[in-house]
Amino acid sequence: GAGVSQSPSNKVTEKGKDVELRCDPISGHTALYWYRQSLGQGLEFLIYFQGNSAPDKSGLPSDRFSAERTGGSVSTLTIQRTQQEDSAVYLCASSLAEDGYTFGSGTRLTVV
Amino acid sequence: AQTVTQSQPEMSVQEAETVTLSCTYDTSESDYYLFWYKQPPSRQMILVIRQEAYKQQNATENRFSVNFQKAAKSFSLKISDSQLGDAAMYFCACEPNSGYALNFGKGTSLLVTP
Repeated sequence: GAGVSQSPSNKVTEKGKDVELRCDPISGHTALYWYRQSLGQGLEFLIYFQGNSAPDKSGLPSDRFSAERTGGSVSTLTIQRTQQEDSAVYLCASSLAEDGYTFGSGTRLTVV
Repeated sequence: AQTVTQSQPEMSVQEAETVTLSCTYDTSESDYYLFWYKQPPSRQMILVIRQEAYKQQNATENRFSVNFQKAAKSFSLKISDSQLGDAAMYFCACEPNSGYALNFGKGTSLLVTP
């Protein structure tokens, strides 16, 4: 596709439920990033995938968060047993070497 | 570790005027990249301008330019001839050349008044 696509655009879930957020990067982009943006805050790095290398998970806030990237393309961020503090906008970006990042429009997650 | 500080939570400018958004950063890296991103209500982060730290010349993109002061670790964004469409959140970010994750400031909300 022409850009980074994220789905769903908005998600409301009950506390304790699991959620999956999807990111379709730009075709051919080898790097994929997940960021979290809490209300009024900057972007917080969560996880990074580069090609077939092991992902850098150093930004994941707890073991309730996990992510995978299948076939070097689509990525899914999973949050288990959601808590109210997980409410945020989750942004995905992809890049190819020095070309810079292209961001998606994010998923706004609301935990009630 | 890197930190990025934007000390202006909100700024306001009149249409056609010039505004400067401030950003300071701290890094132990010798080589890095600096960015300004714009985030409109659509939430998508849009790259405004990019600066390589090894380049002394300030980057310019049409009405947008930066004042990069490497010794002071300062990277301000100047928007000339402000337009209503410039209203958005603006984020400053730093990326170490040895790493890959962008470190963002908390953003500045820019209001453009007619």
